Amino acid sequence: DVKVTQSSRYLVKRTGEKVFLECVQDMDHENMFWYRQDPGLGLRLIYFSYDVKMKEKGDIPEGYSVSREKKERFSLILESASTNQTSMYLCASRTGPANTEAFFGQGTRLTVV
Amino acid sequence: AQSVTQPDIHITVSEGASLELRCNYSYGATPYLFWYVQSPGQGLQLLLKYFSGDTLVQGIKGFEAEFKRSQSSFNLRKPSVHWSDAAEYFCAVEDYKLSFGAGTTVTVRA
Repeated sequence: DVKVTQSSRYLVKRTGEKVFLECVQDMDHENMFWYRQDPGLGLRLIYFSYDVKMKEKGDIPEGYSVSREKKERFSLILESASTNQTSMYLCASRTGPANTEAFFGQGTRLTVV
Repeated sequence: AQSVTQPDIHITVSEGASLELRCNYSYGATPYLFWYVQSPGQGLQLLLKYFSGDTLVQGIKGFEAEFKRSQSSFNLRKPSVHWSDAAEYFCAVEDYKLSFGAGTTVTVRA
């Protein structure tokens, strides 16, 4: 089974802190994604990566950055956390072709206080 | 730019009744289309996908979806719902990136 693991299920951080959300997949997938999920807004794409050291902005990249130094790991970074970044964050991965299934992690619920 | 619209925020259906969830997309060419389900406390799971060929696609858990190019729609259906189908359903479209709709929450009443 494909496994996408997010390092934390729940996280509480203070405003202004630098926050790292980690995602690891074990199936040698090329593509990885970070979304945030908010009620009534669905999943919104923050950043994605189609290969190691590659990254592309999604629909809402402001206030976020990413790092992909190894194929299996895709990190989301909140440079200076703000309360409006309180959300559920979902990581996904898939093999290269666009018509393949994306596999999701269980999510990290981040609260910024 | 692509976008996905799910017009229904919340649908309540009786157990055993049929279910149809609507999805409209805007995209120039024929997109890759997906339906995912998120059960309470669970991660997202792929129900079915369409990228070419037969416009009626079958998925897991008894779901099917029909692609209609003329209406830019990809509606999800199930003939008879079970209480375990209570979940949030997301339509997604891919061109260069994978984008999701706002989701439809399905409540199943006994």
